[in-house]
Amino acid sequence: AQSVAQPEDQVNVAEGNPLTVKCTYSVSGNPYLFWYVQYPNRGLQFLLKYITGDNLVKGSYGFEAEFNKSQTSFHLKKPSALVSDSALYFCAVRVSGGYQKVTFGTGTKLQVIP
Amino acid sequence: GAVVSQHPSRVICKSGTSVKIECRSLDFQATTMFWYRQFPKQSLMLMATSNEGSKATYEQGVEKDKFLINHASLTLSTLTVTSAHPEDSSFYICSAGIQGVEGYTFGSGTRLTVV
Repeated sequence: AQSVAQPEDQVNVAEGNPLTVKCTYSVSGNPYLFWYVQYPNRGLQFLLKYITGDNLVKGSYGFEAEFNKSQTSFHLKKPSALVSDSALYFCAVRVSGGYQKVTFGTGTKLQVIP
Repeated sequence: GAVVSQHPSRVICKSGTSVKIECRSLDFQATTMFWYRQFPKQSLMLMATSNEGSKATYEQGVEKDKFLINHASLTLSTLTVTSAHPEDSSFYICSAGIQGVEGYTFGSGTRLTVV
């Protein structure tokens, strides 16, 4: 079985400060890891993914995430938060190969304070 | 980039009626489509996986006779909520698997309210 943990229901950060949204995962086999963002009453928008290669992956809107195999983590980061970054963020994992199902974390609400 | 068009975005229906939600892949062929349900302030729960031309695979606890999934073509998958009840009110989202791409593209979601 595969699982994702997002330990923080909400993260508050001041505009201009760096932000981190935490994610740890459990999977049998090589993981594919993803971050998605969701705005109210909308679907999910893809931010970034780790498949293989460099542990630090860069994605949309200035976000990046670092894959840490030993800690089974994939934390989302951004050097300088914007008010418009306020949204719900989901970490997700699947195993490699074919169209395997994706398991999502419970989501972390990011609130950027002006 | 690849786009999945989901329709309708919002629907209100009376108890006992059926509602159909469509997801279309634009400019690509979706061999596999996933259907999720999201309760308020909760994560996405996978309901079923559908493959074009074959029966959908439902997750444990999901009633296949209540949530009918049809994936008759490579560009269209539908979810029909039959004999809807207020407890079926939720946000439903589809996503498509794209050949050669590890991630999935999501539809914009359908807010179903059963009154």
